[in-house]
Amino acid sequence: QPVLTQPPSASGTPGQRVTISCSGSRSNIGSNYVYWYQQLPGTAPKLLIYRNNQRPSGVPDRFSGSKSGTSASLAISGLRSEDEVDYYCASWDDSLSGYVFGTGTEVTVL
Amino acid sequence: QVQLQQSGPGLVKPSQTLSLTCAISGDSVSSNSASWNWIRQSPSRGLEWLGRTYYRSKWYNEYAVSVKSRIIINPDTSKNQFSLQLNSVTPEDTAVYYCARDLDGLDAFDIWGQGTMVTVSS
Repeated sequence: QPVLTQPPSASGTPGQRVTISCSGSRSNIGSNYVYWYQQLPGTAPKLLIYRNNQRPSGVPDRFSGSKSGTSASLAISGLRSEDEVDYYCASWDDSLSGYVFGTGTEVTVL
Repeated sequence: QVQLQQSGPGLVKPSQTLSLTCAISGDSVSSNSASWNWIRQSPSRGLEWLGRTYYRSKWYNEYAVSVKSRIIINPDTSKNQFSLQLNSVTPEDTAVYYCARDLDGLDAFDIWGQGTMVTVSS
């Protein structure tokens, strides 16, 4: 079972800002970087944010990440129809000595 | 451009061994700045990291606690690929399996294979 907790869904109208939370513990988010992945149906996840708030080249600056204590957030500003997919957070867990993922959040553009 | 190409059977019988291969192009399995991972995804278990292999003057393997007793990840330098073996599978191992690169400096899975749906059934 996923170790990191995310809301199952989030929604907004085009142009709005949507925020997705990711809750963990001291052994994962509290001690290590957070990553965010975007997954389109039937495809592999795509790296969206690394090292808490860094964007790989090619990722629009509409996507931003932050971390505080044992929680992290992904913000999508200027929401667009193509943002209507699934998002997952991830981190390394020192207790488990492995990567752990979030439960996933499905974004709906109303 | 780095690409990962997965291959392997989509159907495995219970108690048998699941075997998948991930061929690397545009990078090297022996790279000193990357690690090579297996991750799976199922509706019941979500995304689950299974383990990785990497070379830092010698070979290292790290495995998830949940599968540690049943898993082997092997690099194959002659073919520039790495493989997954998961023994004694049960229907709970039914999932889409992905290989992925974890690059130093990103510390994240930046390149993924296309995914292989593996069903465990008799």
